[in-house]
Amino acid sequence: QQQVKQSPQSLIVQKGGISIINCAYENTAFDYFPWYQQFPGKGPALLIAIRPDVSEKKEGRFTISFNKSAKQFSLHIMDSQPGDSATYFCAASLSGGYNKLIFGAGTRLAVHP
Amino acid sequence: GAGVSQSPSNKVTEKGKDVELRCDPISGHTALYWYRQSLGQGLEFLIYFQGNSAPDKSGLPSDRFSAERTGGSVSTLTIQRTQQEDSAVYLCASSLRQGSYRNTIYFGEGSWLTVV
Repeated sequence: QQQVKQSPQSLIVQKGGISIINCAYENTAFDYFPWYQQFPGKGPALLIAIRPDVSEKKEGRFTISFNKSAKQFSLHIMDSQPGDSATYFCAASLSGGYNKLIFGAGTRLAVHP
Repeated sequence: GAGVSQSPSNKVTEKGKDVELRCDPISGHTALYWYRQSLGQGLEFLIYFQGNSAPDKSGLPSDRFSAERTGGSVSTLTIQRTQQEDSAVYLCASSLRQGSYRNTIYFGEGSWLTVV
């Protein structure tokens, strides 16, 4: 119940295309859903986050879509660029308490020029 | 410093030896986390510290793992009698105290541990 399932494991997209990464969860007590971006040799960095009271959040080329009834959320990267090539992790955090994040297994994105 | 600082950045140790990994959180951040990332895997929660509260040790994989945080700032993760399966990147992160909304968790670049 504490798991966050992420797919696909890897993704190849052409420059200018749309990258879509999906995550699913079981625990309805999760109330915060961030996406982290990690470049090789670096620590993960927060990209964008959403709370379950909204269905979509957009920041530049990055959009989170959230489906509370289906317990799914996804990251869309519009106009994907080679510089977006990284590993992306979805995560979820329980309501109350503190920020302990439960991470998905990650998606390795490669954007080809 | 401006970010979460971890040392050493790389550590190669022999099986059975003890190792200590250090984390210096962002100044003013009261919450500190340790995560482990095995090659090609997601991030596995290990332990959490918040102020003077008892730490959440629920993620520590065995009693060979321990961590402490001195003076509410620097933290040390200790792995005793290291095993090859302990080889991973150990990531430290920090955030402001939990308030009415989720505070961003900032990660360091990690300590790469290789047990040979």
